[in-house]
Amino acid sequence: DAGVIQSPRHEVTEMGQEVTLRCKPISGHDYLFWYRQTMMRGLELLIYFNNNVPIDDSGMPEDRFSAKMPNASFSTLKIQPSEPRDSAVYFCASSLGSSGSSYNEQFFGPGTRLTVL
Amino acid sequence: AQSVTQPDIHITVSEGASLELRCNYSYGATPYLFWYVQSPGQGLQLLLKYFSGDTLVQGIKGFEAEFKRSQSSFNLRKPSVHWSDAAEYFCAVGDNTDKLIFGTGTRLQVFP
Repeated sequence: DAGVIQSPRHEVTEMGQEVTLRCKPISGHDYLFWYRQTMMRGLELLIYFNNNVPIDDSGMPEDRFSAKMPNASFSTLKIQPSEPRDSAVYFCASSLGSSGSSYNEQFFGPGTRLTVL
Repeated sequence: AQSVTQPDIHITVSEGASLELRCNYSYGATPYLFWYVQSPGQGLQLLLKYFSGDTLVQGIKGFEAEFKRSQSSFNLRKPSVHWSDAAEYFCAVGDNTDKLIFGTGTRLQVFP
């Protein structure tokens, strides 16, 4: 398996523009997680899905952020409008497991480095 | 709510020296505990995990960790560090939900 695939790997955009980050989880995995990593706040969970359904979006910073998972093999994280403070590395991870089973390994993608000017 | 503390932001060791990275957690019951490693420009990779049984856990790349309930710790160790071990290391805790809480990470630098 190719692992978790994220695109683009790097994104540079200007403040106010819409940004869409993409993720393809490992085939067969039923959980998908979006994280944000910054120097100041470390690794934060933004939202996660189970069987394509958003379960917990309490980590999404504000309404400018939205995430979708239209099918089992694709998810997007959208920021509209983007702001300089959104600059970070965004990771997608997937896992296989049953509900309430955080002990299942999460497999991380390589991340998307976002820079908002 | 559970939390994870990694008290060392940055550690430097010589190649061949032993290594111990500290991790303390806060959780009422027995947690699920993990160590992940992140190489520059890469995503996180699982080194090892603990959720029950033997408190000394063996992982990949020669790493091990010991769960000590009395100290609320899950320290990562390696007897002899290689230059390729230079990376950032994250401790994480999970409970009976689907989520993991990550520590702030420890950056390991290895000198030849």
